[in-house]
Amino acid sequence: EAGVTQSPTHLIKTRGQQATLRCSPISGHTSVYWYQQALGLGLQFLLWYDEGEERNRGNFPPRFSGRQFPNYSSELNVNALELEDSALYLCASRIQGARNEQFFGPGTRLTVL
Amino acid sequence: AQSVTQLGSHVSVSEGALVLLRCNYSSSVPPYLFWYVQYPNQGLQLLLKYTTGATLVKGINGFEAEFKKSETSFHLTKPSAHMSDAAEYFCAVTSYSGGGADGLTFGKGTHLIIQP
Repeated sequence: EAGVTQSPTHLIKTRGQQATLRCSPISGHTSVYWYQQALGLGLQFLLWYDEGEERNRGNFPPRFSGRQFPNYSSELNVNALELEDSALYLCASRIQGARNEQFFGPGTRLTVL
Repeated sequence: AQSVTQLGSHVSVSEGALVLLRCNYSSSVPPYLFWYVQYPNQGLQLLLKYTTGATLVKGINGFEAEFKKSETSFHLTKPSAHMSDAAEYFCAVTSYSGGGADGLTFGKGTHLIIQP
């Protein structure tokens, strides 16, 4: 069974540009979560999508947004990039059910110059 | 709001020695607790989880953790450390409602160093 996949592996942008990161969940998983792992800030929850809808978001500005498609894959968009957006962005997926864990992808390394 | 505190950003043990990584949580609702491991330049791999039921949970690679509600703790242990255990370990908490499980709140991580 294929795991969570993310693309691209690395992404280099300049300040002010927009970045789009993609995530494909494990087959059968309907929930997708996005996390930011920035140096010195640890792992922080960004967004949660389930059945195509945004269910919750962490403490991030509105320029961080995303969507979930009918096939449950997801996009994370970061507008007006700032230097401090440089981080590893991790996607996780989860199957419905109370006791089920999140499975993580390998991440996208975003570098903002 | 939920929070996780991991005591010790770095823990060093000798190969074959006991591994103990500490995690304390804060949650106003029944917590779901997890330990994840991260190897360099990789994503997170689940070691073990506590949701309900038995408070002593066993995970992969010989790790186990005990949920102690009175102490709000979920410490991770392994009887005998192996060189391959060297990695970053994260404790995380979430809660579950009828709408699903919310995003995870992570501790800051503990870097485990194994001395030969």
